[in-house]
Amino acid sequence: EVQLVESGGGLVQPGRSLKLSCVASGFTFSNYGMNWIRQAPGKGLEWVAYISSGSSYIYYAETVKGRFTISRDNAKNTLYLQMTSLRSEDTALYYCARDGAAIPLDYWGQGVMVTVSS
Amino acid sequence: EIVLTQSPTTMAASPGEKVTITCRASSSVSYMHWFQQKSGTSPKPWIYDTSKLASGVPDRFSGSGSGTSYSLTISSMEAEDAATYYCLQRSSYPLTFGSGTKLEIK
Repeated sequence: EVQLVESGGGLVQPGRSLKLSCVASGFTFSNYGMNWIRQAPGKGLEWVAYISSGSSYIYYAETVKGRFTISRDNAKNTLYLQMTSLRSEDTALYYCARDGAAIPLDYWGQGVMVTVSS
Repeated sequence: EIVLTQSPTTMAASPGEKVTITCRASSSVSYMHWFQQKSGTSPKPWIYDTSKLASGVPDRFSGSGSGTSYSLTISSMEAEDAATYYCLQRSSYPLTFGSGTKLEIK
């Protein structure tokens, strides 16, 4: 069974940093691209970042480019999102999602909440 | 960036009613994908590659379209279909979602 479990969220002050993790199981993690997607409270879905299976290709949303860094450790089956210079508008539930071979974003984690507030 | 415009934003349908949700792209895309999200849960893939139903999706759902205009249709609304639906384009980065359509049961 495919499982994605996010962690690392919490309350952080504006301008500070936070690192999210997503541990994958139930599939060969190193064979799949991965994404971070976020959802602000009561709002829609916003794609944040993508990393290819071997980390050769990385893409970001303009809203986070230069502040967020996506990375992965295939030996640990773990996806990361390093977030710096956090702003109140980064407050959201952050999901990791697998980039399926046939179906985009075919599996999602349960999400981890990040709240940016003083 | 390809902007996806979904309509309507919200709607309510009676059991048995036909429902159509549209998604228009600011530039042509190869395929459109749809997700269903119910309150407090993670989104689920629902329709992919414009018209293919994800596993477990009832066949009262269908998808169609091409170029810049796509739609999700429910042939006969059921209570369990009440949810928010999002379209997604993966033709180019950044990936973009539509703003969502909240579908309620009357």
